[in-house]
Amino acid sequence: GESVGLHLPTLSVQEGDNSIINCAYSNSASDYFIWYKQESGKGPQFIIDIRSNMDKRQGQRVTVLLNKTVKHLSLQIAATQPGDSAVYFCAERAGGSQGNLIFGKGTKLSVKP
Amino acid sequence: KAGVTQTPRYLIKTRGQQVTLSCSPISGHRSVSWYQQTPGQGLQFLFEYFSETQRNKGNFPGRFSGRQFSNSRSEMNVSTLELGDSALYLCASSLEPGSYGYTFGSGTRLTVV
Repeated sequence: GESVGLHLPTLSVQEGDNSIINCAYSNSASDYFIWYKQESGKGPQFIIDIRSNMDKRQGQRVTVLLNKTVKHLSLQIAATQPGDSAVYFCAERAGGSQGNLIFGKGTKLSVKP
Repeated sequence: KAGVTQTPRYLIKTRGQQVTLSCSPISGHRSVSWYQQTPGQGLQFLFEYFSETQRNKGNFPGRFSGRQFSNSRSEMNVSTLELGDSALYLCASSLEPGSYGYTFGSGTRLTVV
């Protein structure tokens, strides 16, 4: 039968506003988390990462917050620009010897000029 | 420095055929992982290679296989293609298992008809 696409949460913001994208992760043993941005037809592009021994990390216009108590990750984008429009994925690395990334379903960010 | 290179970018194959995809990691990166991305399932882990050995495997049938060469380049093979194998196949490289930082290539878009 026909496959049904994932229903991606959508976040629509005005240019210049701040954006917050949330992600719930699955494994309390995960030791490393990454946010990726994916534009249509391209591979995931690294935005920012955070290790499990931290709760906040800042980059240029982006901040990642990690709450291990509730297994929650968020990405904050300051002064959102039209070029930020894309699908954003969080990924967790299943800890220990498992080096693979487990991806969330993604959030589509649309920036209105 | 060059990023992760995947070839070819696009492929169209017929059901029942087989296909081989190639991934050249960033120079110095010795760990290569493969992921399948579809609208229905999102990004799913296929397998991870390091030092020419498969370290970790996702939940895919045996039709999906891979290998890694001594120069860290990796190939994945899908035999007896099915319509449902149509997807974007992504390769990610990192220095070694357990290191921080996974860089993705642009992917190979496989269409099975």
